[in-house]
Amino acid sequence: AQSVAQPEDQVNVAEGNPLTVKCTYSVSGNPYLFWYVQYPNRGLQFLLKYITGDNLVKGSYGFEAEFNKSQTSFHLKKPSALVSDSALYFCAVRGPPSNTGKLIFGQGTTLQVKP
Amino acid sequence: DAGVTQSPTHLIKTRGQQVTLRCSPKSGHDTVSWYQQALGQGPQFIFQYYEEEERQRGNFPDRFSGHQFPNYSSELNVNALLLGDSALYLCASSTPTAPYSGNTIYFGEGSWLTVV
Repeated sequence: AQSVAQPEDQVNVAEGNPLTVKCTYSVSGNPYLFWYVQYPNRGLQFLLKYITGDNLVKGSYGFEAEFNKSQTSFHLKKPSALVSDSALYFCAVRGPPSNTGKLIFGQGTTLQVKP
Repeated sequence: DAGVTQSPTHLIKTRGQQVTLRCSPKSGHDTVSWYQQALGQGPQFIFQYYEEEERQRGNFPDRFSGHQFPNYSSELNVNALLLGDSALYLCASSTPTAPYSGNTIYFGEGSWLTVV
């Protein structure tokens, strides 16, 4: 069964420092992976995705993610965090062939960036 | 270019009542999916509509139903509301093969439903 796990409920980082939000996945077949961000009381905003190709994917707002097949991970990164990056981040994987319209989400990781 | 729009943004209902939520997809998209996000949880897939028919469904009871109109907009209906139905309901807009094809799904701002 397709699943993703976000092992950290919360990540704290100082402004200007690099940040990493972790995601691991378990899939049958090729993993198509997505990151979304949710600001307080808002919907989900798409950040980036991995489909195939280069293992380092660049996305919106300076975020990037590294796909690692051997470690079944897709960690979200940013070289220099901003206070405005504070939000809830979700990793997601596409559903199985029997349910192609489905995204399966992790539990989410709250990122807190302190000045 | 308007993104995914949802209404209402907030509403409060009583147990046993019925609710209808509305969604207009992003321009160029003809497929609408609905997700439920309970507090502290990731979104859960309810169902997907394409060509005015329910195409796929998640693990939700029949109390949850939907509709898609010829202009691609969609409604989510929930009957016999339970306290546990309190959640953020997200509409997602896409092409028919997303996300399995790798195409991106875009979400609206959501409708907050509180059942008392």
